[in-house]
Amino acid sequence: DAGITQSPRYKITETGRQVTLMCHQTWSHSYMFWYRQDLGHGLRLIYYSAAADITDKGEVPDGYVVSRSKTENFPLTLESATRSQTSVYFCASSDTSGRNTGELFFGEGSRLTVL
Amino acid sequence: AQSVSQHNHHVILSEAASLELGCNYSYGGTVNLFWYVQYPGQHLQLLLKYFSGDPLVKGIKGFEAEFIKSKFSFNLRKPSVQWSDTAEYFCAVIPYSSASKIIFGSGTRLSIRP
Repeated sequence: DAGITQSPRYKITETGRQVTLMCHQTWSHSYMFWYRQDLGHGLRLIYYSAAADITDKGEVPDGYVVSRSKTENFPLTLESATRSQTSVYFCASSDTSGRNTGELFFGEGSRLTVL
Repeated sequence: AQSVSQHNHHVILSEAASLELGCNYSYGGTVNLFWYVQYPGQHLQLLLKYFSGDPLVKGIKGFEAEFIKSKFSFNLRKPSVQWSDTAEYFCAVIPYSSASKIIFGSGTRLSIRP
């Protein structure tokens, strides 16, 4: 079944290590997003991408890097993980054509723990 | 700045009680409106959406929401909740002119007593 998949689902790492969270969607949606979800903060946008090779910062981009060389993939990299980046990360995609503008389709989430 | 407010952080109800969760937004232009639900341990799923037309929209599992433009509100309702409705509910708004500027509320946790 087509959809949006994230990997890994669970990751434990240490402070200072590089971590990459993968996101893959099969709908050819133009927009893709990375959110983090923390208790008391709801969903906060980290980065988003409007198309391949086009990315832009969201609300909380510091410490994160993204790329989008192909429409279907949108990896999120923590170059030097910190404890404050312990969170649940959700990838989402959106078809922005016509009436569907803004409806997000979310992945299952990646739970990251930084020790 | 554009924002979405969900005034109830945690709502506790008994089964069969009626539900209304508030959502207010600040934006002067045309918007699309959404309610998402996140069941425990799961990802967010679309509950219902409003793009245009009838301001009373019906979603899955008996939920509905009413868009009141003059009040900048999009409240979620359900006449009779079930234990399985225990979840977190997020209101989201996107200005029609910007497909990337989706703004989420902080969420309302709903707990249903069996």
